Amino acid sequence: ETGVTQSPTHLIKTRGQQVTLRCSSQSGHNTVSWYQQALGQGPQFIFQYYREEENGRGNFPPRFSGLQFPNYSSELNVNALELDDSALYLCASSAWTVTDTQYFGPGTRLTVL
Amino acid sequence: GDSVTQMEGPVTLSEEAFLTINCTYTATGYPSLFWYVQYPGEGLQLLLKATKADDKGSNKGFEATYRKETTSFHLEKGSVQVSDSAVYFCALSSNDYKLSFGAGTTVTVRA
Repeated sequence: ETGVTQSPTHLIKTRGQQVTLRCSSQSGHNTVSWYQQALGQGPQFIFQYYREEENGRGNFPPRFSGLQFPNYSSELNVNALELDDSALYLCASSAWTVTDTQYFGPGTRLTVL
Repeated sequence: GDSVTQMEGPVTLSEEAFLTINCTYTATGYPSLFWYVQYPGEGLQLLLKATKADDKGSNKGFEATYRKETTSFHLEKGSVQVSDSAVYFCALSSNDYKLSFGAGTTVTVRA
């Protein structure tokens, strides 16, 4: 059974640029959630995708957007990057019937200069 | 809204010591409660969960009991090892799509 994978591992961007992060869900999981973890803090919920549609969203501006594909993989897109967007971005997958039990990938470390 | 408050760290222990990390929560309804662990440079791993009052979650020697009367879910381990050094996060889910996390507690176990 393959776990949650994310790419890339690390990324460096400059302020104002756009970035796309990718996530492949665990085998058998059809729901993907994204979280932002700033240094020294707990993860903050960005949004969740199910059946290729956004199923819930946290307190993040519209420049944070996402996609889910028919194979349940997902992308997180962030436009007009700001310095405060520097963080570890975590993807988590779950089965729709047990969405509260989420399994996390290793994360993508984004640095905005 | 939902929130989780957990014991501030860092916590430093000697091997074979007893570990307790306090966690209290505020939520509507009857949330599910979780402990996640994050090892250096890695993502979060689910350690244990409990879905209703008085449930006890357990895994790898760690235990936590869902106490509705005190809105708590304290994590305990009777004898820690160096390999237990990590950041521990308490979390809750009250609406099936979002996990709300505490700020994390860094635990260092010395040989």
